[in-house]
Amino acid sequence: DAKTTQPPSMDCAEGRAANLPCNHSTISGNEYVYWYRQIHSQGPQYIIHGLKNNETNEMASLIITEDRKSSTLILPHATLRDTAVYYCIVRPYTGGFKTIFGAGTRLFVKA
Amino acid sequence: SAVISQKPSRDICQRGTSLTIQCQVDSQVTMMFWYRQQPGQSLTLIATANQGSEATYESGFVIDKFPISRPNLTFSTLTVSNMSPEDSSIYLCSVLAGNQETQYFGPGTRLLVL
Repeated sequence: DAKTTQPPSMDCAEGRAANLPCNHSTISGNEYVYWYRQIHSQGPQYIIHGLKNNETNEMASLIITEDRKSSTLILPHATLRDTAVYYCIVRPYTGGFKTIFGAGTRLFVKA
Repeated sequence: SAVISQKPSRDICQRGTSLTIQCQVDSQVTMMFWYRQQPGQSLTLIATANQGSEATYESGFVIDKFPISRPNLTFSTLTVSNMSPEDSSIYLCSVLAGNQETQYFGPGTRLLVL
């Protein structure tokens, strides 16, 4: 079973920041938080991952709470092309562990 | 990162037939995975395919229905056998890359069984 809980859907206005929450209260010490997204009719796309520090890349920022029980993915300036299903996943960083998907959050970016 | 291609990209098949899906990666990878995504649903892991060993299947999936081959470190096939309309799904190939840190996905194969 997936170890994360996400809202089923969210709306965001184009050009505004999209903040997608994720709860992972049973996360283990060796598990990282990964985010993927799936745009309609495409394979999932890796976005970002982190352990306990905040992370930023060209696509998004990841904020992880100090107790690591929740996190937020931030798309700083959402565009219509960011409309997708966003998946929050926890799994160990290395060792060849498989990725188990939950239901994800369907983000609608509106003009 | 890893670039993954799948063939065919889509197909329409008759029930009772079988379809073999190919997955090609642009670099050598140890671990490959096959997922299924039924209409409107999330991804479900079918099996893990490591080169040189038998595939490991998840609960609810069996080798007779979904035989997998992994002849080398850049290629794998998944066969959907004796198909029924319930097998209509997107089938996705995935690999672990970057020192097994991150999982990457192919574009998927869209299968419709009539």
